[in-house]
Amino acid sequence: LAKTTQPISMDSYEGQEVNITCSHNNIATNDYITWYQQFPSQGPRFIIQGYKTKVTNEVASLFIPADRKSSTLSLPRVSLSDTAVYYCLVGWDTGRRALTFGSGTRLQVQP
Amino acid sequence: NAGVTQTPKFRVLKTGQSMTLLCAQDMNHEYMYWYRQDPGMGLRLIHYSVGEGTTAKGEVPDGYNVSRLKKQNFLLGLESAAPSQTSVYFCASKGTSAAQYFGPGTRLLVL
Repeated sequence: LAKTTQPISMDSYEGQEVNITCSHNNIATNDYITWYQQFPSQGPRFIIQGYKTKVTNEVASLFIPADRKSSTLSLPRVSLSDTAVYYCLVGWDTGRRALTFGSGTRLQVQP
Repeated sequence: NAGVTQTPKFRVLKTGQSMTLLCAQDMNHEYMYWYRQDPGMGLRLIHYSVGEGTTAKGEVPDGYNVSRLKKQNFLLGLESAAPSQTSVYFCASKGTSAAQYFGPGTRLLVL
């Protein structure tokens, strides 16, 4: 299993761009990278997924370098409502093993 | 399209009692998962299923059993509840992409 390492917490201000990096040194060839957002008392919400290079959707961008040993979730112009815990998950279910979540990064956005 | 639903939303049990948590998804997903999340912690995988009639152990399976008799439903059972099983339980499902879709959670308190 690809073990992931993320910062425990980050602080930002409204309107700034936030980049959260996840390290996954032993990522396997078939592994995908997915990011989730979780608000208090709610289930995690899928944000974005990627395999290599850059992926962008209406919510975020995901940057993956060529060696794929890390990935960076980029949130443009954050607002107070982006205050949440963000989880990076790396792997691909094969039926013989499943993925495990790390501890996540707690993002606090200040006004 | 309800996505992933969980029943019940909240339950209080006495030590030694049994109960079943129900997860239902209407996205025709093959993969389904049960996680637990303790206060301030990340998610830990209890059991998962890669298709109807199949189940497998996750990271913390002891004290739980599961069944996947129908593709859309994944049941989590506690045969003899213990205070250590007080937690929030999340169900998730996944289709052909890497993204997991989570339910709203069940809060369980074992006295």
